[in-house]
Amino acid sequence: DAKTTQPNSMESNEEEPVHLPCNHSTISGTDYIHWYRQLPSQGPEYVIHGLTSNVNNRMASLAIAEDRKSSTLILHRATLRDAAVYYCILNFGNEKLTFGTGTRLTIIP
Amino acid sequence: EPEVTQTPSHQVTQMGQEVILRCVPISNHLYFYWYRQILGQKVEFLVSFYNNEISEKSEIFDDQFSVERPDGSNFTLKIRSTKLEDSAMYFCASQREQGPNTEAFFGQGTRLTVV
Repeated sequence: DAKTTQPNSMESNEEEPVHLPCNHSTISGTDYIHWYRQLPSQGPEYVIHGLTSNVNNRMASLAIAEDRKSSTLILHRATLRDAAVYYCILNFGNEKLTFGTGTRLTIIP
Repeated sequence: EPEVTQTPSHQVTQMGQEVILRCVPISNHLYFYWYRQILGQKVEFLVSFYNNEISEKSEIFDDQFSVERPDGSNFTLKIRSTKLEDSAMYFCASQREQGPNTEAFFGQGTRLTVV
């Protein structure tokens, strides 16, 4: 499986935008970039995914570099409820999701 | 909003006992999964299930594990003879279709404690 690299942890102030980076330099042309998050004591939760173009949904935005070797998950206005571990996962059609260690996001009130 | 439901939320069992973890996937979903997460570790894939058979399983999913969709709505994970190292959070997930352009929906998990 193609690997992703994320910072272990990040902090952000409440009500500020958050940019969570992910490097995936070995991404192949058919890999989709998925983001999931895991709130404390809960199951993983889908956030967003994309292939080449930037994507927006009600939860977040996904900015994908032109060469696709990196991407950034953008939370436009962080709330305390956004404190979670965020996982960047490459999905090429293999059924399973391969989770890494993710980025632990702390929101400072 | 539809959700994946898992029961029980917490199960305590003695080593060597059989346990069955239950999941009700989202009703129009066709692909079902079990994952586990040992405390402080990564979420790990166990098994995927489609069309009433296992489509992929990991090395963790040995002969002590089995899955079943007994009645068209429930999806169960059975561990025949639990070991201490089976203690973990077990997550069920479902997808409407296969492929990279779709999302998985996870349940809230069952915390299994083997004593």
